[in-house]
Amino acid sequence: SQELEQSPQSLIVQEGKNLTINCTSSKTLYGLYWYKQKYGEGLIFLMMLQKGGEEKSHEKITAKLDEKKQQSSLHITASQPSHAGIYLCGADMRTGNQFYFGTGTSLTVIP
Amino acid sequence: DAMVIQNPRYQVTQFGKPVTLSCSQTLNHNVMYWYQQKSSQAPKLLFHYYDKDFNNEADTPDNFQSRRPNTSFCFLDIRSPGLGDAAMYLCATPRTGPAGGYTFGSGTRLTVV
Repeated sequence: SQELEQSPQSLIVQEGKNLTINCTSSKTLYGLYWYKQKYGEGLIFLMMLQKGGEEKSHEKITAKLDEKKQQSSLHITASQPSHAGIYLCGADMRTGNQFYFGTGTSLTVIP
Repeated sequence: DAMVIQNPRYQVTQFGKPVTLSCSQTLNHNVMYWYQQKSSQAPKLLFHYYDKDFNNEADTPDNFQSRRPNTSFCFLDIRSPGLGDAAMYLCATPRTGPAGGYTFGSGTRLTVV
């Protein structure tokens, strides 16, 4: 069952443009994580959000958590080709130590 | 910070021939996870260990088994690999420290011929 849905599924943007990726959970979020994956490679941890309203930034990437909506958004400002890859949200499901991933968003940045 | 090491990086196996993938972590964390990631898909949780307690996801095929002989090591055994089992297999453990999150290994890419 897919408990974490990401949108859009794929995104193609011109370099320099801003973009937003959303992650929506069907269950209560206890911790929401964002990862990036270059094609064919391992996962890179970006950031973790735990509290409603929390917002974190890393370089040009900002993530927010809306606990009431069970949703998180990842915003990239002034995108660069180095931002290209697959972005995955992940969440703790406290019922039993499980950690699940969202459906993923593939980002292409055109120079 | 925990390091998760997966070996080998690439594995080629024959259809139906048992194969074992290995994972080790340096922080002796009590939780370890195995994920399967097929091309263009998100990683899918296969199972996880809490200490020696094995927790299988409901939709993980019986073809996949796991062993955890000690805290540091965890193995994924595929008893009879099929063509559909070709994928990247990722191992993970929770991170320590205030940043939180999970540390993933670089993965083993399995090819079935």
